[in-house]
Amino acid sequence: DIQMTQSPSTLSASVGDRVTITCRASQSISGWLAWYQQKPGKAPNLLIYKASTLESGVPSRFSGSGSVTEFTLTISSLQPDDSATYYCQQYGTYPYTFGQGTKLEIK
Amino acid sequence: EVQLVQSGAEVKKPGESLQISCKGSGYSFTTNWIAWVRQMPGKGLEWMGIIYPDDSDTRYNPSFQGQVTISADKSISTAYLQWSGLKASDTAMYYCAKYSPLDAMDVWGQGTTVTVSS
Repeated sequence: DIQMTQSPSTLSASVGDRVTITCRASQSISGWLAWYQQKPGKAPNLLIYKASTLESGVPSRFSGSGSVTEFTLTISSLQPDDSATYYCQQYGTYPYTFGQGTKLEIK
Repeated sequence: EVQLVQSGAEVKKPGESLQISCKGSGYSFTTNWIAWVRQMPGKGLEWMGIIYPDDSDTRYNPSFQGQVTISADKSISTAYLQWSGLKASDTAMYYCAKYSPLDAMDVWGQGTTVTVSS
């Protein structure tokens, strides 16, 4: 299985900060990488797919980049509503696998 | 509106069988994969498997193969996740999600809580 490793595991930042979360794959996944946001008690919500394509309706402060094995999710100006856990997922090779999650807290 | 509606919360005893469901609407259910994802209490997301309702082509995560059965009835736009003998370790929230290679898992069900306790 392809292992997906996110860093950091937890992150605390202030409103207006630029925040970056990294996801590394144990082998090449080309660009088949998605990012999801999950708030407590809610289903995950797709933010980014194909590494850098913003899902319809997602605020433009979210962006994704990367290729092969290293990917990043960036929030350009952190908002209070962004407090959540973020997961990356590779969907290029079965079984599709998630990262362990990054919990983002607002200071 | 594209949506997936899952069946309600379940409380079961170890060894019992269970089937939970996920009904799609507002899109072509037949030609979009449905994935199942487990989230154990306080833990991360685990991809269990995926089914293509048109021909029931199914792919399992080896970690779940033999532990659950994924199926679909395209005539009623519904996918299922089934256990034949529940264990306490099956206690979790289970999500279904619509999946396509172009769009990843873009629509999710609301989740079904399964509690297995004696």
